[in-house]
Amino acid sequence: KAGVTQTPRYLIKTRGQQVTLSCSPISGHRSVSWYQQTPGQGLQFLFEYFSETQRNKGNFPGRFSGRQFSNSRSEMNVSTLELGDSALYLCASSFYSNQETQYFGPGTRLLVL
Amino acid sequence: GESVGLHLPTLSVQEGDNSIINCAYSNSASDYFIWYKQESGKGPQFIIDIRSNMDKRQGQRVTVLLNKTVKHLSLQIAATQPGDSAVYFCAESRMGGGNKLTFGTGTQLKVEL
Repeated sequence: KAGVTQTPRYLIKTRGQQVTLSCSPISGHRSVSWYQQTPGQGLQFLFEYFSETQRNKGNFPGRFSGRQFSNSRSEMNVSTLELGDSALYLCASSFYSNQETQYFGPGTRLLVL
Repeated sequence: GESVGLHLPTLSVQEGDNSIINCAYSNSASDYFIWYKQESGKGPQFIIDIRSNMDKRQGQRVTVLLNKTVKHLSLQIAATQPGDSAVYFCAESRMGGGNKLTFGTGTQLKVEL
């Protein structure tokens, strides 16, 4: 069974631009969560989607948004990029949204110049 | 506030020795705990999890111990191998929080030959 896939793997943007990242969960998984990883803040929860609905949201500004499609694939969008948005963005999937074991993808490395 | 912290940022062990990685959490409402391993350039890899109704759980070469009285979690790796070199994260969640995980800061495990 294929693991969690994320595209693109690497991305370079400039301040003020917007970016969309994609995550395809493990087949059969309906929950997708997004995390931001930086050297200074570590791994921080962004949001979780389950059955196309946002289940939880972390403490990030409204510039960070996401959505989930009927096939459980998820996208996250960051608008008006700032230098501090440079990070590894990870998504994780699980069957359900109830303290399930989550499996992570390889991440998308975003660099904002 | 909620926090999950690791006691040691770096742990060096000799190949073949046992490793113990510690983690403290502060929220007594936390009832699900999970350990991840992250190698350079990769996403976190699930190792083992434990729920608050247990105090010990074993996997292949790994054991997780949970002490709810002092809010402490540990990961024991038996016969540590060079392939175990990575950053190890503990994470916690609580009932009602969906799949939202709060991560610790991480411990770098270095295995010396």
